Amino acid sequence: AQSVSQHNHHVILSEAASLELGCNYSYGGTVNLFWYVQYPGQHLQLLLKYFSGDPLVKGIKGFEAEFIKSKFSFNLRKPSVQWSDTAEYFCAVTPRGSGGGADGLTFGKGTHLIIQP
Amino acid sequence: DAGITQSPRYKITETGRQVTLMCHQTWSHSYMFWYRQDLGHGLRLIYYSAAADITDKGEVSDGYVVSRSKTENFPLTLESATRSQTSVYFCASSRQNQFRDTQYFGPGTRLTVL
Repeated sequence: AQSVSQHNHHVILSEAASLELGCNYSYGGTVNLFWYVQYPGQHLQLLLKYFSGDPLVKGIKGFEAEFIKSKFSFNLRKPSVQWSDTAEYFCAVTPRGSGGGADGLTFGKGTHLIIQP
Repeated sequence: DAGITQSPRYKITETGRQVTLMCHQTWSHSYMFWYRQDLGHGLRLIYYSAAADITDKGEVSDGYVVSRSKTENFPLTLESATRSQTSVYFCASSRQNQFRDTQYFGPGTRLTVL
């Protein structure tokens, strides 16, 4: 079974600082990778996803992530954060292959990001 | 476009009672999922369904039952609620399995079991 590790559970930054949230997964095969965001009191929204192709993917609101296969990593980045980026961020993975079925996403435990004005 | 809705949004119940959480999507997505979100655990899959009348267990299915008689609805039932089932429950749907598509989440139901 796959697993996802998010190393930073709580991150506090000032506005305009650069952001990088770590995500590592454990799985022997190929995977699809996602970052979801949950703003306070709201449901999960997709930030970006990687299925195949260019390992540097761009998402909404200026976020990007880079898939490094050799490191089993999919770190999320943003060059300059805003107060409105305060939220919970979840990395998720799902296996891609001939196993069939829809086993659902495996989520990391989340990173609580607080941006101070 | 209503998307995916959940009801109720908040529910308080007592130990031993049966509770049903509703999920409805208007996209005619084939796949639907139930997750629970707990502090320190992220989201964990409870059940999923590939189509009407096809369901399967996820990581934390004990104590839960699902049904899917219609494509658009995927209710989750706690047959005899326990305090450990206090959580936020999210329903999600996707057109195809996650090999090819993104899951879209509902607003969640906050359930408290006293």
